[in-house]
Amino acid sequence: GDSVTQMEGPVTLSEEAFLTINCTYTATGYPSLFWYVQYPGEGLQLLLKATKADDKGSNKGFEATYRKETTSFHLEKGSVQVSDSAVYFCALGASGTYKYIFGTGTRLKVLA
Amino acid sequence: EAQVTQNPRYLITVTGKKLTVTCSQNMNHEYMSWYRQDPGLGLRQIYYSMNVEVTDKGDVPEGYKVSRKEKRNFPLILESPSPNQTSLYFCASSLKTGNQPQHFGDGTRLSIL
Repeated sequence: GDSVTQMEGPVTLSEEAFLTINCTYTATGYPSLFWYVQYPGEGLQLLLKATKADDKGSNKGFEATYRKETTSFHLEKGSVQVSDSAVYFCALGASGTYKYIFGTGTRLKVLA
Repeated sequence: EAQVTQNPRYLITVTGKKLTVTCSQNMNHEYMSWYRQDPGLGLRQIYYSMNVEVTDKGDVPEGYKVSRKEKRNFPLILESPSPNQTSLYFCASSLKTGNQPQHFGDGTRLSIL
């Protein structure tokens, strides 16, 4: 079945460091891919999305490119801030179905 | 303001006492879904609804019921809660199918003693 695998955390970085959180997926057809962010005590918020191969989603300095050949959707940011500390979830929306599948989440902690 | 509203935010209760967590959205979304979030397991889908009166099981439906009598509401019912249902629950909605981004509520933390 469809699945999402993302790197385990926690990831601890200093402010202004480069961030990569890996996400790979297994799916039939052509899913849509998402990154969501969860701040403490809150629900998930959409960070960015991509709906087809080679699409690049971007928002608030974060980027991810839908790579069909490597079945990946890695999240990157060039310079993280303390305010980016949160849990990040990779997810896919299976094409032709009504199901969403989430990764296990990666906690990011950014130190000043 | 577009939002998904869950109630209650926190609940401590005892095994076997029926409870309902309400969820309401004001965006006229067709698709609604319930998830539970557990450490190390991420979000797992419990039930989803494609439209009024149309629901289906997600990956972990055992012990839960749902209904969708109106487009805006999608309550989660635990008929006989057990301690293994202690978790953080999220309701979400999206415009249509599973390839649309979802809007999430702020979560309901349930403790079943």
